[in-house]
Amino acid sequence: GIQVEQSPPDLILQEGANSTLRCNFSDSVNNLQWFHQNPWGQLINLFYIPSGTKQNGRLSATTVATERYSLLYISSSQTTDSGVYFCAVPDRFYNNNDMRFGAGTRLTVKP
Amino acid sequence: KAGVTQTPRYLIKTRGQQVTLSCSPISGHRSVSWYQQTPGQGLQFLFEYFSETQRNKGNFPGRFSGRQFSNSRSEMNVSTLELGDSALYLCASTRAEGNTEAFFGQGTRLTVV
Repeated sequence: GIQVEQSPPDLILQEGANSTLRCNFSDSVNNLQWFHQNPWGQLINLFYIPSGTKQNGRLSATTVATERYSLLYISSSQTTDSGVYFCAVPDRFYNNNDMRFGAGTRLTVKP
Repeated sequence: KAGVTQTPRYLIKTRGQQVTLSCSPISGHRSVSWYQQTPGQGLQFLFEYFSETQRNKGNFPGRFSGRQFSNSRSEMNVSTLELGDSALYLCASTRAEGNTEAFFGQGTRLTVV
């Protein structure tokens, strides 16, 4: 099945700093999602971004499907941005709703 | 529009018991997928149901099973619980078959003692 790698595994920032999280995947995909897992465990949808660039407030994401990677940008980080960020892609072989997740990037924003 | 609802939120069970978790998808969504999250293995796919049929299954033992009802609500069952089954169980709902945006519930945190 498809492999998903996220980097860095851990990131510590001072409030107000910018950051870039990366997601590499091993095969072609036509679907990619970014999630933020809140302290209670729920996965919050950030972006559904099979290709191109999207922006939502201080967050933006870019997926370059031909080069098999996606980037999540967080600008002017706030303490509430802390948590774990996951990217997920469908397992290409099955081409359905079986998503494969990266191991996540744990972001800590300090005041 | 209500989101994905999972019940119960927390469960404590004893080894050897069985447990049933429930997931109600977003209205109009017909596909429900289940995932297990543990510190050691991360998020792993369990199975997916679409129109009351299991379409795909992850690499989990037969103790893990599920079903989907005609209203798209889904249940998963774990029999003969083991300590290693302690995990956060998440379900995701999508509008249709194929690769569409998935939305997750708040999860059920299962502790096996």
